[in-house]
Amino acid sequence: AQKVTQAQTEISVVEKEDVTLDCVYETRDTTYYLFWYKQPPSGELVFLIRRNSFDEQNEISGRYSWNFQKSTSSFNFTITASQVVDSAVYFCALSEGINTNAGKSTFGDGTTLTVKP
Amino acid sequence: GAVVSQHPSWVICKSGTSVKIECRSLDFQATTMFWYRQFPKQSLMLMATSNEGSKATYEQGVEKDKFLINHASLTLSTLTVTSAHPEDSSFYICGAEDVDTGGTEAFFGQGTRLTVV
Repeated sequence: AQKVTQAQTEISVVEKEDVTLDCVYETRDTTYYLFWYKQPPSGELVFLIRRNSFDEQNEISGRYSWNFQKSTSSFNFTITASQVVDSAVYFCALSEGINTNAGKSTFGDGTTLTVKP
Repeated sequence: GAVVSQHPSWVICKSGTSVKIECRSLDFQATTMFWYRQFPKQSLMLMATSNEGSKATYEQGVEKDKFLINHASLTLSTLTVTSAHPEDSSFYICGAEDVDTGGTEAFFGQGTRLTVV
């Protein structure tokens, strides 16, 4: 069975601080995909990144970066120089199998990030 | 980018009535759509996978007779909550996979907040 754990329920930082959101996953499959989504107060889910199990390269996209470590089953997300607009709930998700099925994922419980001015 | 439109954004209905929620992929074809339910301050729970032209696949514990899903075209899936009761009040989110991306990326609607009184 697959499981995603986001141990941090809520995080509060001051603008311009760096913040890391943790994600630990469990799966028995050797092929799987990991995702991060942002859910702002308006409710929609915004896709941030997808990473497959065979690609452990870290990725940077602007102020966002992701650290994927299979050895610790973690896929952590770091926001550098946080901004108020980054305030949202962030979800980590896992999809097992060869076919990605990004839409059919197991989600973590989410981390609510509040960035104060 | 791909856009998924969900309608209505919010709805209030009386107990015992039925409510239909529409999910449309506006600029791409989606052979597979997904319906999630989200309780306050909780994660997303997959309810069912909807495939165009065939019956939906429901997750364990989801009443298919209560949550009717129809995926009549490549751009439209509907969720009908039949004989709604207060415990059905929740935030419902649909997601869609773009055929062209082979399921590697999912796009979500803005969600529908259902309140049953």
